Amino acid sequence: EIVLTQSPGTLSLSPGERATLSCRASQSVSSSYLTWYQQKPGQAPRLLIYGASSRATGIPDRFSASGAGRDFTLTISRLEPEDFAVYYCQQYGRSLWTFGQGTKVEIK
Amino acid sequence: EVQLVESGGGLVQPGGSLRLSCAASGFTFSSYDMHWVRQATGKGLEWVSSINTGGDPYYPGSVKGRFTLSRENAKNSLYLQMNSLRAGDTAVYYCARAGGSSGWYAFDIWGQGTMVTVSS
Repeated sequence: EIVLTQSPGTLSLSPGERATLSCRASQSVSSSYLTWYQQKPGQAPRLLIYGASSRATGIPDRFSASGAGRDFTLTISRLEPEDFAVYYCQQYGRSLWTFGQGTKVEIK
Repeated sequence: EVQLVESGGGLVQPGGSLRLSCAASGFTFSSYDMHWVRQATGKGLEWVSSINTGGDPYYPGSVKGRFTLSRENAKNSLYLQMNSLRAGDTAVYYCARAGGSSGWYAFDIWGQGTMVTVSS
């Protein structure tokens, strides 16, 4: 089973700042199979990024992502108030899906 | 409107059983892979099971042998039969869809979740 480790656990930033979130896999992951989600309190997760770098429908362009192999990054260029949430990466491999433990982006 | 609505959650004793349902609407249910993901209170997301368009289910080791996932395309419905429930199965259970414009490996539509509590 591929383990995804997200860092940092919590990111304390101010609106307008840049957020950089990391997701490291225990083994190489195909870029096609790496996904990012956003989750706000009391809500279901929301798809942000699929295929490691493609924005889902309706996701603003301040969200971008990149990476390959074992290391993947989600970047929020300028934090808006609605971006403060928990972000999860997810991978698929050998008929199994796993999630990272999440990074909380909180208001400083 | 594309929508997934879960039902069937509740309180069950350890060792008991529960059947969750997910009703899909607004899209051609039979053309999509479907998934269950759970989240214990204050914790992260955990994939629980998947079923492809051909009806083949997949499970992680944590639920394999205890949970059974099935789909009934004529009723646009997904079912998760959960047996031998443990306290560690306590969580909100989300139904999710894959296979849309975002591809087969990203869950693009999620339900609002149904709470399962395993306790005596």
